[in-house]
Amino acid sequence: GENVEQHPSTLSVQEGDSAVIKCTYSDSASNYFPWYKQELGKRPQLIIDIRSNVGEKKDQRIAVTLNKTAKHFSLHITETQPEDSAVYFCAAPDYGGSQGNLIFGKGTKLSVKP
Amino acid sequence: EAGVTQFPSHSVIEKGQTVTLRCDPISGHDNLYWYRRVMGKEIKFLLHFVKESKQDESGMPNNRFLAERTGGTYSTLKVQPAELEDSGVYFCASSQASGGRDGYTFGSGTRLTVV
Repeated sequence: GENVEQHPSTLSVQEGDSAVIKCTYSDSASNYFPWYKQELGKRPQLIIDIRSNVGEKKDQRIAVTLNKTAKHFSLHITETQPEDSAVYFCAAPDYGGSQGNLIFGKGTKLSVKP
Repeated sequence: EAGVTQFPSHSVIEKGQTVTLRCDPISGHDNLYWYRRVMGKEIKFLLHFVKESKQDESGMPNNRFLAERTGGTYSTLKVQPAELEDSGVYFCASSQASGGRDGYTFGSGTRLTVV
């Protein structure tokens, strides 16, 4: 089955700096990679995703890059703001099950200091 | 559209008691998933329904956990009898396509505390 590793577990940055979170996956058949943001006490929310036919996707201050050869993908947040503080989870599909369910990384707690 | 709703939002029960969690997915979403997050750890897969059928229940920890989705609408997750290690936040999610092709919409979770 799929195995997803996520680093770092905690990340602290100054407001305005960039933040990068990295994930690796094990199943070369995986072709969909979402990122979720979970603010304190709230539900995880999908913020960006990428499919294996592209290497990079951007949405305003957020970008995700994918290296299929190395089996890793990263979340990049530029010009961080205090409201970016949250736990971020990467995920990849596990095709070991019949239709694929998402396997999540352990999360990265991002703190943006004003 | 209405989101994924879960209740209760919190539950505190004693070891050995029974608790039933409920999830109402987004209308029309055939795929429904249960996940659990134990404090500080990953969001761990429990099981996956497609309509009323259990597609994958490989993540269910043991036979004290029973999930149902009668009629392919809402789902329940029963823990009987509850143990201390069952404490955590139980998330339900739904999607139109299966998880390998599209993202999920999560519910707000049920925080279960077993004392």
